[in-house]
Amino acid sequence: QVQLQESGPGLVKPSQTLSLTCTVSGGSINSGYYFWSWIRQHPGKGLEWIGYIYSTGSTYYNPSLKSRVTISIDSSKNQFSLNLNSVTAADTAVYYCARGTNVVAAVWGQGTLVTVSS
Amino acid sequence: EIVLTQSPGTLSLSPGERATLSCRASQSLYSNYLAWYQQKPGQAPRLLMYGASNRATGIPDRFSGSGSGIDFTLTISRLEPEDSAVYYCQGYGDSPPRLTFGGGTKVEIK
Repeated sequence: QVQLQESGPGLVKPSQTLSLTCTVSGGSINSGYYFWSWIRQHPGKGLEWIGYIYSTGSTYYNPSLKSRVTISIDSSKNQFSLNLNSVTAADTAVYYCARGTNVVAAVWGQGTLVTVSS
Repeated sequence: EIVLTQSPGTLSLSPGERATLSCRASQSLYSNYLAWYQQKPGQAPRLLMYGASNRATGIPDRFSGSGSGIDFTLTISRLEPEDSAVYYCQGYGDSPPRLTFGGGTKVEIK
């Protein structure tokens, strides 16, 4: 079955760009009508949707983060990525990638903790 | 913007008891696009229910979902120790397209 794995730096300095990649295995990122999403969870808090991209390339972002977020897809590597710029300590969180269909996140990566600190 | 409010914040019950978790939306949800997730400490969330009342693959039938419009319920009919977790509801708004999560209900098994 399809599996997702997040990767990227665990520590990012304030004002810099947080960049994460989600590698999809066990299936093609281009197969079916799925969306590929990023969701984060601040320490001890609930879930916050960041945005998602369809295999067609269409993107949708959380309005509260839209000015700082870019999600892209690299079909040749079976990966999709998150860039979040101008980060602050408030962006410290566990970041999850997920595959969804019918607006439900059905398959999740294990998550990766990103700390924003100098 | 759709806001999902979950109640109670914490539920403390004994094994074999029935748990009833509520999720109320600030406006009627698009085509009943309401999902429930279970998250255990240190783990990623796991999809339990979608379309308000459909169990995801591999989810035991002691989990059931119901509701429509703005009021939705997740019921765990006979609690087992492994059901100790935080449960989140998630909805979908289409103007603009976005996912929204509730604040979560923590279920503790005594």
